[in-house]
Amino acid sequence: DVKVTQSSRYLVKRTGEKVFLECVQDMDHENMFWYRQDPGLGLRLIYFSYDVKMKEKGDIPEGYSVSREKKERFSLILESASTNQTSMYLCASRTADGELFFGEGSRLTVL
Amino acid sequence: LAKTTQPISMDSYEGQEVNITCSHNNIATNDYITWYQQFPSQGPRFIIQGYKTKVTNEVASLFIPADRKSSTLSLPRVSLSDTAVYYCLVGDTPWANTGGFKTIFGAGTRLFVKA
Repeated sequence: DVKVTQSSRYLVKRTGEKVFLECVQDMDHENMFWYRQDPGLGLRLIYFSYDVKMKEKGDIPEGYSVSREKKERFSLILESASTNQTSMYLCASRTADGELFFGEGSRLTVL
Repeated sequence: LAKTTQPISMDSYEGQEVNITCSHNNIATNDYITWYQQFPSQGPRFIIQGYKTKVTNEVASLFIPADRKSSTLSLPRVSLSDTAVYYCLVGDTPWANTGGFKTIFGAGTRLFVKA
């Protein structure tokens, strides 16, 4: 089975802190995605990566950056966390057939 | 990218068939239609995918009319454990591996199954 692992299920950070969210997949998928999910808004795409060191902005990239140094790992970075970035963050990797596999999610609270 | 529109919520009873319709008027020739299911505190999970006509697997059926401007997810004989949010997605060919392929989710349909 495909496994997508997110490093932290719950985080609490203070405004202005730098936050790293790590995601690792074990199926050699080339495409990986970061979404955030907020009540009533569904999932919104932040960034995606279609290969190592390649990235593209999604719909809401402001305030975020990403890193893909190795194929299995896709990191989301909040350079200076703000309260409006309190959210559930979901990482996914995609098969060649287009099926997305998601991690369990990381719930971030910024105080 | 084609925008999708789904009902915000639906109620059903155990044992009933549930049909959730998604509108995607601007669907492009290369677009596939995919449905995901999400339980609380979990990531979405793939249910079914199709391009046209009808697709069936062990958990659901997907009906797509000839004009492809809508699609209907059909869940036969739902149980309490089918209570979840269901997302309809429309996106480029699944095997497209070039930059620019996005997978965009809408707000989803919250299905409540009652005993």
